[in-house]
Amino acid sequence: RKEVEQDPGPFNVPEGATVAFNCTYSNSASQSFFWYRQDCRKEPKLLMSVYSSGNEDGRFTAQLNRASQYISLLIRDSKLSDSATYLCVVNIVNTGGFKTIFGAGTRLFVKA
Amino acid sequence: ETGVTQTPRHLVMGMTNKKSLKCEQHLGHNAMYWYKQSAKKPLELMFVYNFKEQTENNSVPSRFSPECPNSSHLFLHLHTLQPEDSALYLCASSQDLRGGTSGANVLTFGAGSRLTVL
Repeated sequence: RKEVEQDPGPFNVPEGATVAFNCTYSNSASQSFFWYRQDCRKEPKLLMSVYSSGNEDGRFTAQLNRASQYISLLIRDSKLSDSATYLCVVNIVNTGGFKTIFGAGTRLFVKA
Repeated sequence: ETGVTQTPRHLVMGMTNKKSLKCEQHLGHNAMYWYKQSAKKPLELMFVYNFKEQTENNSVPSRFSPECPNSSHLFLHLHTLQPEDSALYLCASSQDLRGGTSGANVLTFGAGSRLTVL
């Protein structure tokens, strides 16, 4: 089983739509969680951290469910510029510090 | 310069060549990383340096050799590579909150070096 699993998509949605991505992780020692965004042929960039209580940043809402070991990202009122690959990222504590595990990403295409 | 810079951005090399990728971070971070990204695959962690000491080597073939002379610079030396090593090589840095509380450890990536091995 992969340590971090995501639906690869692609998700094709019209502008203005609401879209949600889920991600599951297998290691219960996972401590911190993030969503990164990666545009085509560019490097990943932090989109937002995911907190236990859930958090919102403009049109983006992230949720964490530790009991079920999944993370979600909700994008409201999709824009063309939201088209990208969204990477679910988990930090696991180990003896050397933190180990960062990336999911394979979910591709989103927002169409006019 | 700010952030994480990588050079070269593109590299084409033969299987018998020796080349190096360079990464420099201007963020005052204490941890640096090399990742490999192949098409349609998740990012693969190759090497981690915390406080200039290598703390992870994820079964990477010896034809890849990292070097971290100080906390701001990281190199990846390449020799006798194979065509399947063609990929995007991403450098990242973070402030490793060793012994810290929330384990934030957010990574900042460079733009990557796209390597083609002929």
